[in-house]
Amino acid sequence: AQSVTQLDSQVPVFEEAPVELRCNYSSSVSVYLFWYVQYPNQGLQLLLKYLSGSTLVKGINGFEAEFNKSQTSFHLRKPSVHISDTAEYFCAVSDSGGSNYKLTFGKGTLLTVNP
Amino acid sequence: GAVVSQHPSRVICKSGTSVKIECRSLDFQATTMFWYRQFPKQSLMLMATSNEGSKATYEQGVEKDKFLINHASLTLSTLTVTSAHPEDSSFYICSARTSGRAEQFFGPGTRLTVL
Repeated sequence: AQSVTQLDSQVPVFEEAPVELRCNYSSSVSVYLFWYVQYPNQGLQLLLKYLSGSTLVKGINGFEAEFNKSQTSFHLRKPSVHISDTAEYFCAVSDSGGSNYKLTFGKGTLLTVNP
Repeated sequence: GAVVSQHPSRVICKSGTSVKIECRSLDFQATTMFWYRQFPKQSLMLMATSNEGSKATYEQGVEKDKFLINHASLTLSTLTVTSAHPEDSSFYICSARTSGRAEQFFGPGTRLTVL
């Protein structure tokens, strides 16, 4: 079984400030890791993913994340946020050896960017 | 690419009626589709996983006779909420993945309100 912990339920920041959204996972097998963003009353959009290879992963909208196997973390970062980045962010994990790659989600972090 | 649509986006129905939600992959073959339920300000809860041409696999605690899932083609899955009651009111989101790829692509969601 896998689990995902998003350490902060809410993160308020000012526009143009850097931000880090934390994600830790637990799994007994190798995993794939994902960050998704959800705007109000919408579905989820894939920001980035780690499957293998370089531990620093770059995604859309200027976001990046680093996979740290020893710390079982996959924190999301952006050097300068915009008002439009205000949304709910979900970290998710799946079994890399699975057949359907079911996702286990964290509880989400609400990022609020203030002017 | 990798667009998933859902229809309807919003539905209001009377208690005791059935509601069908469609999920379509527009530009790829969806070998696996997933149905999630999301309560306000909460994470996504996986309801079931379906592979094209096979019966859906339901998560523990999800009533398969109440939530009927059909995945008859590589581009369409349907979720039918039978004899809906007010407690079934929720945001339902589908996702799809294709063979050989781990990431899921999400639909925009359907807001179901049962009066």
